[in-house]
Amino acid sequence: GENVEQHPSTLSVQEGDSAVIKCTYSDSASNYFPWYKQELGKGPQLIIDIRSNVGEKKDQRIAVTLNKTAKHFSLHITETQPEDSAVYFCAASIGGYSTLTFGKGTMLLVSP
Amino acid sequence: DAGVIQSPRHEVTEMGQEVTLRCKPISGHNSLFWYRQTMMRGLELLIYFNNNVPIDDSGMPEDRFSAKMPNASFSTLKIQPSEPRDSAVYFCASTAGGNLNEQFFGPGTRLTVL
Repeated sequence: GENVEQHPSTLSVQEGDSAVIKCTYSDSASNYFPWYKQELGKGPQLIIDIRSNVGEKKDQRIAVTLNKTAKHFSLHITETQPEDSAVYFCAASIGGYSTLTFGKGTMLLVSP
Repeated sequence: DAGVIQSPRHEVTEMGQEVTLRCKPISGHNSLFWYRQTMMRGLELLIYFNNNVPIDDSGMPEDRFSAKMPNASFSTLKIQPSEPRDSAVYFCASTAGGNLNEQFFGPGTRLTVL
């Protein structure tokens, strides 16, 4: 089955800096790559996703890039703010009934 | 819409007791997923339903775990008997189905088995 590796496990940045989280996947058939943000005491929430026919997608301060040849995708957060502090999960889907395989998560801490 | 609703939010029980977790998916969504989250293993898919039918339960840890979806608006995850290693946060998620749709997660149930 699909295997998703996520790095780093923790990331500390200063407010205003950029943050990058990287994921690799194993199954070349995967075609959907969402990113979820989980705040303390809450369930994961989708913040951005990318499909296999697109190389990059942006939404204000966040962007995701996909390299299908290398089987990796990354989340980029620019001008980080303290409210960006959370655990971020990447995931991949090989299709079917929307089954997602999640990475282990990255705890992002943005210090004021 | 109120989103995915889970109850209880917190459950503390003793080893050997039966635990039932409940989920109400978003109205109109036809796929429902149960996940378990722990520090060691991250987010694990336990089982998912499509149109109330279990499609894949290969993630269910063992026979002590069972899940049902009697109708489109309600699902339960039952653990009987519970063990301390079942302590985790259990999430329910739903989606309108299809290949590429967003899964909406509930707030989770934090289970502690003493």
